[in-house]
Amino acid sequence: TAGITQAPTSQILAAGRSMTLRCTQDMRHNAMYWYRQDLGLGLRLIHYSNTAGTTGKGEVPDGYSVSRANTDDFPLTLASAVPSQTSVYFCASSEVAGGSAEQYFGPGTRLTVT
Amino acid sequence: GQNIDQPTEMTATEGAIVQINCTYQTSGFNGLFWYQQHAGEAPTFLSYNVLDGLEEKGRFSSFLSRSKGYSYLLLKELQMKDSASYLCAVRESDYKLSFGAGTTVTVRA
Repeated sequence: TAGITQAPTSQILAAGRSMTLRCTQDMRHNAMYWYRQDLGLGLRLIHYSNTAGTTGKGEVPDGYSVSRANTDDFPLTLASAVPSQTSVYFCASSEVAGGSAEQYFGPGTRLTVT
Repeated sequence: GQNIDQPTEMTATEGAIVQINCTYQTSGFNGLFWYQQHAGEAPTFLSYNVLDGLEEKGRFSSFLSRSKGYSYLLLKELQMKDSASYLCAVRESDYKLSFGAGTTVTVRA
């Protein structure tokens, strides 16, 4: 079982360009999440989706958008990248949004905006 | 919102015990998670507490006191492979997780 996959593994992007980070899970989890991880700040929630067809804003949503057209995929789009978006991005999923459901994390995408 | 505090770094000797403390302030509490993250890898789930008390899972235990806004992760019989960052995460009533900055544990021979 693949679990949760992310693509690309890493990317260097010029400021002002757009990019979509891909995330796919094969566990049929209802809830999915996007985090960014920066040194000294820990993981911060960007956007989340409690079920297919719905999305919500996390702690740091500005400059990012998401969609959840189906259960398996949860892409994150940067419309016009800025250097402050340089970070490691983790996608995660959980069976449901509440209860004791743990979140499973993908391997991450390391993004550098120049 | 959340305010989650945990020490930045800890060092311990192989075979010893280390306790990682986490304090939090929240307007609504719906559970506390601990995750382990090795350098360059994804976080992986270690434990979950929603009621006061101790949860034990092999060499790892986690404790919660909701009235004090306090949790700790106890790592016993430390092994070299336990060198990693340990992340405390609190879930608010809207089910979103907020993470602390993490505690980097270094295990020395």
